[in-house]
Amino acid sequence: AAGVIQSPRHLIKEKRETATLKCYPIPRHDTVYWYQQGPGQDPQFLISFYEKMQSDKGSIPDRFSAQQFSDYHSELNMSSLELGDSALYFCASSFRHQYGQGVREQYFGPGTRLTVT
Amino acid sequence: RKEVEQDPGPFNVPEGATVAFNCTYSNSASQSFFWYRQDCRKEPKLLMSVYSSGNEDGRFTAQLNRASQYISLLIRDSKLSDSATYLCVVNGVAGNMLTFGGGTRLMVKP
Repeated sequence: AAGVIQSPRHLIKEKRETATLKCYPIPRHDTVYWYQQGPGQDPQFLISFYEKMQSDKGSIPDRFSAQQFSDYHSELNMSSLELGDSALYFCASSFRHQYGQGVREQYFGPGTRLTVT
Repeated sequence: RKEVEQDPGPFNVPEGATVAFNCTYSNSASQSFFWYRQDCRKEPKLLMSVYSSGNEDGRFTAQLNRASQYISLLIRDSKLSDSATYLCVVNGVAGNMLTFGGGTRLMVKP
C-alpha cells in the first residue's frame, strides 16, 4: 500500500539559511500533519491542514510556515534556521474525523532529518 | 505534569515473555487513543488504536480505562523483532493534534 512520502530525506543547512520540506500524503487522505522530533524527545505537533486550509496549530515557530496545495501535498518552509531546529521532521496523513469526534489514525512518513550547522 | 506519561523503561525481557506497558493521560476530554512503535531514528508506526471495550490484534492487547485515564498494552510471546520504543498517543485538547507520551523502550533478548 502507498505510504506517506517525504523529501528530502536528509538536509544540511547553515544557520540563517532557509529550508523547504515536502510531504505527499497517502492517496485520498485529506489531512496532513507536521511534527518535529528533537534528539531524545517525543514528536511535537507543529501544524495541520485539512482540505488545503490550516486546521490546527501547535508549537510552530513564527519563522516556519506551511501550506497544503491543490494536489494535497504539503510543504513546510523554514527560514532563519537556528541550531536548535536540527531535528527529524515527520509528516503524517489521515482521513479527517468529524470535528469534536476525536482523531483518525495518522500514518507517518519516513521523515526528513534536518541538520543545521 | 506531562499530558501523557509513560514509564520510560527500558524493559529487558527474554523471548517468549509477556510484558505490559502502562500510560496515563491528563485530559479527560480526550477521545482517541493509540499505541505506536518507533524504531531508532525511524518514523512512528501505528500499532493499534485503543477502544473502550479493549481490543486485541494477534499477540497485542490494548485496554482503556476512561475513569482512571489509563491505557495499557500487553505483548504476549515476545519476539526479538518487538524490540522498539512503544509510544502511547492521545488526541489533544482540541482539534486533530496528537500528543505523545515519552515512550517505553522494550528490549527482547534471546
